[in-house]
Amino acid sequence: DQQVKQNSPSLSVQEGRISILNCDYTNSMFDYFLWYKKYPAEGPTFLISISSIKDKNEDGRFTVFLNKSAKHLSLHIVPSQPGDSAVYFCAASTNVNTDKLIFGTGTRLQVFP
Amino acid sequence: GAVVSQHPSRVICKSGTSVKIECRSLDFQATTMFWYRQFPKQSLMLMATSNEGSKATYEQGVEKDKFLINHASLTLSTLTVTSAHPEDSSFYICSARTYPGYTFGSGTRLTVV
Repeated sequence: DQQVKQNSPSLSVQEGRISILNCDYTNSMFDYFLWYKKYPAEGPTFLISISSIKDKNEDGRFTVFLNKSAKHLSLHIVPSQPGDSAVYFCAASTNVNTDKLIFGTGTRLQVFP
Repeated sequence: GAVVSQHPSRVICKSGTSVKIECRSLDFQATTMFWYRQFPKQSLMLMATSNEGSKATYEQGVEKDKFLINHASLTLSTLTVTSAHPEDSSFYICSARTYPGYTFGSGTRLTVV
């Protein structure tokens, strides 16, 4: 039972344009959501998070949007850079302080010049 | 920022032997550590949650007698893969709860031959 899904396994974007990565979840108890960037044979690197009491959080080039009614969140990267090429995972938890993370299936982003 | 040091980064072992993976929180105390595994091109799957001074909590389908977890101090958690078989070959990653995003180790590539 995949509670967190990323339906696009890959995404290709031109440098300077916007990258939009999507994530859907099924568990309405999730109240904290995170995005991670991951390279092969390395641990994930935290990018940005959002609490369920908000619908948007922005940090530099990264913005996360949360639509609770649709159980959907998205990560916007603008402008995209070649160094952004990696696999992106969304993750969710039911308790911001102590609970385990459930990861999505990942989206491979490639930013080309 | 917070750092989780994970060792070894890669290990090759013979079938039937045991392998220990260590994760240390370097500049903070981690009362809880999470252990994940990732198969090629797949998501990170939570295996177990280790709590300092108490027994680990295993996810459904994870053999607790095969994957021994010890969290003897606030800065060290270990995962021992006992009687390893080729199907245990995978990428193992630990993480600790930090705010706003969990901090991950760099991962261990285990190959059982």
